[in-house]
Amino acid sequence: GAGVSQSPSNKVTEKGKDVELRCDPISGHTALYWYRQSLGQGLEFLIYFQGNSAPDKSGLPSDRFSAERTGGSVSTLTIQRTQQEDSAVYLCASSRQYNEKLFFGSGTQLSVL
Amino acid sequence: AQSVTQLGSHVSVSEGALVLLRCNYSSSVPPYLFWYVQYPNQGLQLLLKYTSAATLVKGINGFEAEFKKSETSFHLTKPSAHMSDAAEYFCAVSPVSGNTPLVFGKGTRLSVIA
Repeated sequence: GAGVSQSPSNKVTEKGKDVELRCDPISGHTALYWYRQSLGQGLEFLIYFQGNSAPDKSGLPSDRFSAERTGGSVSTLTIQRTQQEDSAVYLCASSRQYNEKLFFGSGTQLSVL
Repeated sequence: AQSVTQLGSHVSVSEGALVLLRCNYSSSVPPYLFWYVQYPNQGLQLLLKYTSAATLVKGINGFEAEFKKSETSFHLTKPSAHMSDAAEYFCAVSPVSGNTPLVFGKGTRLSVIA
């Protein structure tokens, strides 16, 4: 596609439910990144993929968070047993090579009630 | 670990005035440095980047930033603010090599007053 696509754009869920956030990177981009943007906290790195592997998972806040990437393309970020503090905008970005210019999606606004 | 500090979570300037957004980095060796901008209801986009070539880097929309190793700074400037410059600006740092991804600052919201 023309840009990084994220779905859904908005997600409202109840505390304790699981959610899946999807990211479609730009075709041909080998690197894919997940960040979380909270009010007043800037962008918090979560995880990145080089191809289908994730060399650095240290940013995931807890074991309730997991992510995978298949076929070197689509990635899914899963949050299990959501908590209110998980409410944030989850941003996905991709780049042609690792740490080259990042192209960001518009994000998924997650609200946990 | 590398980090960036953006001084001022909110900066307000008058239209036509100088824009100065401050960013200081922490790194044992000169890193790569970036400024990203997020316009209202849009995704982040790259404004400019420093990758150890010229220390004065020019970006889009009339913005530029100067890498100053002695001050560990990478401040963003624009001579004359325009209403359309109102946005959130993020400074980011990455190592020249290695597997550490971009680390972003907390952002500075720029307001432009008519």
